[in-house]
Amino acid sequence: DAGITQSPRHKVTETGTPVTLRCHQTENHRYMYWYRQDPGHGLRLIHYSYGVKDTDKGEVSDGYSVSRSKTEDFLLTLESATSSQTSVYFCAIGQAMDTGELFFGEGSRLTVL
Amino acid sequence: AQKITQTQPGMFVQEKEAVTLDCTYDTSDPSYGLFWYKQPSSGEMIFLIYQGSYDQQNATEGRYSLNFQKARKSANLVISASQLGDSAMYFCAMRERSGGGADGLTFGKGTHLIIQP
Repeated sequence: DAGITQSPRHKVTETGTPVTLRCHQTENHRYMYWYRQDPGHGLRLIHYSYGVKDTDKGEVSDGYSVSRSKTEDFLLTLESATSSQTSVYFCAIGQAMDTGELFFGEGSRLTVL
Repeated sequence: AQKITQTQPGMFVQEKEAVTLDCTYDTSDPSYGLFWYKQPSSGEMIFLIYQGSYDQQNATEGRYSLNFQKARKSANLVISASQLGDSAMYFCAMRERSGGGADGLTFGKGTHLIIQP
C-alpha cells in the first residue's frame, strides 16, 4: 500500500474558523492532489501539485489554498470555513502522468457548523 | 458537459452473477487513460483497473475486466462471478494527456452496487 497519511481524520469546526488538512506521503511521488467527495458529485479536484512549490487550481478551488514546501507534504487550507465546505477530503499521490493510477489517503471528514 | 458519465446510480445484483457497470466519457484528446476505483463502506479508494486509449486489448485484472469501446467512448467495468464483498461504490475516471496529465483524474458520480445473497 502507498504510504499516505492524512490528518486530522475527523474534524468539527465552526463557520469562519481556519482549517488546515495535512497530507503526508512516504513514496516520493511527484504529484499530489486534494479532492473533495460529496454525495451525488463523486470526487472533484480542488488543487494539485506537480512539484515542490508548484501548485495549480482544480475544478472547485474557491475558498481553498494549498502549499507544498516539501515533496512529502501537501497542505490544504480553508482560510474561513463555510458550511458548504463540509465534506470528505481525499489526498492522492501519483508518480507517472500518463498511465499511472492515483493512490488515495483514507480521507478526512470535515464538518463545519 | 460532463467528461465522465455513469448512468446507473444504484444496482442490485444476485451473488455469483456477472455485473456490468456503465461508463461513457467525453474527450477530444487522442491520448488518455481510463480507470475504475472501488470505494467500500469503509471509505477508502481502491484502484481496480486501467485502460489506455491506445491499448489494443481490453484490460483484465482477476475478476475485473474493462470493456473498452473506443468509437462509442465507452469503458464499462465487468465483474465476473460477483461476491458479497463486491458491494461498494464504483467510480469511473479519466486522465487526459493534454496539459501534461498532471491535473489528475476526472471522476464520474459513481454507481452504488449491492450484491444480494
